[in-house]
This record gives sequence, C-alpha cells and structure tokens, in this order.
Amino acid sequence: EAQVTQNPRYLITVTGKKLTVTCSQNMNHEYMSWYRQDPGLGLRQIYYSMNVEVTDKGDVPEGYKVSRKEKRNFPLILESPSPNQTSLYFCASSLAYSGQPQHFGDGTRLSIL
Amino acid sequence: AQKITQTQPGMFVQEKEAVTLDCTYDTSDQSYGLFWYKQPSSGEMIFLIYQGSYDEQNATEGRYSLNFQKARKSANLVISASQLGDSAMYFCAMREGTLGGADGLTFGKGTHLIIQP
Repeated sequence: EAQVTQNPRYLITVTGKKLTVTCSQNMNHEYMSWYRQDPGLGLRQIYYSMNVEVTDKGDVPEGYKVSRKEKRNFPLILESPSPNQTSLYFCASSLAYSGQPQHFGDGTRLSIL
Repeated sequence: AQKITQTQPGMFVQEKEAVTLDCTYDTSDQSYGLFWYKQPSSGEMIFLIYQGSYDEQNATEGRYSLNFQKARKSANLVISASQLGDSAMYFCAMREGTLGGADGLTFGKGTHLIIQP
C-alpha cells in the first residue's frame, strides 16, 4: 500500500530536549516536504527536499533541521524545542512535478511544555 | 498578499444539498496546479481533486468537481449531494512552477463545512 508514515503520532516533551520526527514514503517520490498546521493559519511549509542530499527552507524554517540521506526518509529534527513549536506536523511526498498531488502522512501532534 | 484565499471560515449545509466552497488564488506563474484537500476531525489530509492551469476542462472526481475560472483566478470546489461524512475542514492549495518545481503547496486557511441532517 502506497503511504507516507510518520512517527510518533503524538509526543509531549519539554523545552530544550532534542527530538526527531521520522517520515518515510514507499512511493519512490523525489519530493518530500514538512508542514506545520496551526489554528487559523492553515498549513505552512517548513522545509522541503527535491531529492537525496538536496534540501531547502520553506516559509517557516527557524528552529528546525532536516536531512535527506535516503530517498524514502526525510526526518524533521528539533534541536532545542520551544513551546511555540507546539503544533500539528505533516510530512508529504510527491513526484517532482507541480501537477502531482502531495501525499500526506497522518500527522504528528507535538506538545512542547 | 495571500496566495490562496478562502473567504468562508465556516458553512452549514443541509444533507443532500450541493455545496460550493470558494477559493481564489494569486500567482504570476503561467504553469501551476490547484488542489483541494479534506481534513476530517481525525486529522489526516485527504487529496480530493486537482486542476492544472492548462487544463481546458473542469476537473471532476465522483461527487467532487472544480469550477475553474482562470481569468478570475478562482478554483471553487463543488460537492454534489452532500453527505454527513463530508463534514470536515477543506483546504484549497496551489503549487507553482513546472517540472522540478521546488515550491511546495501554499494553503488557504480552510473552510469548516458542517453537514446537517
């Protein structure tokens, strides 16, 4: 089954404790992206990757890191999480063409205390 | 200026009625794609329908159709014969550029649709 898998689905943690949200896709997609969703703001892009070892900032990259060492994986790293990073996070993947829909993971709800 | 504008924060509709969710967009690119996603209360993002900027016909997918008016830069979603299960947040989104386009999706703020029995 074609899917984008995120882990964990839920996480409550404390300020400053490094965390990683994993994302894996099995569709051989070149393009992967991270979004955060906040009430009243819709979804905003954090980082994206066009292919292995190619990553770039989206609209709200501050406080986040990513890596793309393998085509299927695109982890999101919060080196020193802060409460303003409490949000619902989505990983998405697609073929690298504007006409292709992005397939989303089920989301990760992060709470930073 | 916002790239995607959804002017209806919330809508109540009677079951079995047709629904139109509004979306206007702003881009200077000639090539772009417009998407609608559904987000039920469980939180996942479900792709519904796509319209390419060069597509001459309006996209349709089952009960969903996209009323694409390029000159007006609008891409309204029409749901025919609404069902209780259609209650959800609906997001309009745009992806600009063509092959190898680096841009991700730009989302509107969403419309919360509630279908009443």
